[in-house]
Amino acid sequence: GEDVEQSLFLSVREGDSSVINCTYTDSSSTYLYWYKQEPGAGLQLLTYIFSNMDMKQDQRLTVLLNKKDKHLSLRIADTQTGDSAIYFCAEFLTGGFKTIFGAGTRLFVKA
Amino acid sequence: DVKVTQSSRYLVKRTGEKVFLECVQDMDHENMFWYRQDPGLGLRLIYFSYDVKMKEKGDIPEGYSVSREKKERFSLILESASTNQTSMYLCASTLRDRPVLGYTFGSGTRLTVV
Repeated sequence: GEDVEQSLFLSVREGDSSVINCTYTDSSSTYLYWYKQEPGAGLQLLTYIFSNMDMKQDQRLTVLLNKKDKHLSLRIADTQTGDSAIYFCAEFLTGGFKTIFGAGTRLFVKA
Repeated sequence: DVKVTQSSRYLVKRTGEKVFLECVQDMDHENMFWYRQDPGLGLRLIYFSYDVKMKEKGDIPEGYSVSREKKERFSLILESASTNQTSMYLCASTLRDRPVLGYTFGSGTRLTVV
């Protein structure tokens, strides 16, 4: 079945790199996304990667996709306290309107 | 700035009440979605709509219904609210043929049923 899994918590020190990992099960995914949710707010699209790409870099964000292992990661360089939020991994399923979301990883950044 | 607006940030309702959650988007998006978000469970899809007057059940439709009479508005209805429907409800929208753009979410409605 369709499933997206990610660990629930990650704690890092300010200035370090954060790596948030995600695994998904559906090999027909065409787009994979990372969303950020700040306290009291909805989700905001951070970045996406198309399934035929291995890597995408956008300023402090690096997305790595290992399609063979169905593994997606988000690296945040020089993590700041403002990066504290919940990060959701999501996959868009070909042929449908559905996007499947993971449970979210809560990132704590210690000053 | 493009926007998805949910009518209430916080709601408190009594068990058995009929509850309406409203969502409006100004981006001319075809697809609209209602999710509920619970700690440790992530986002679970309740209903979605890909056109006016069209609706499809998501993964957890029981106890809910929806209405889409106009393209910009998607309403979630709790026919008889129960305490297990206490949750954060998120509305989202997207263009049908542009998955690369992802979803635009509203700020959420935190519903408490007492």
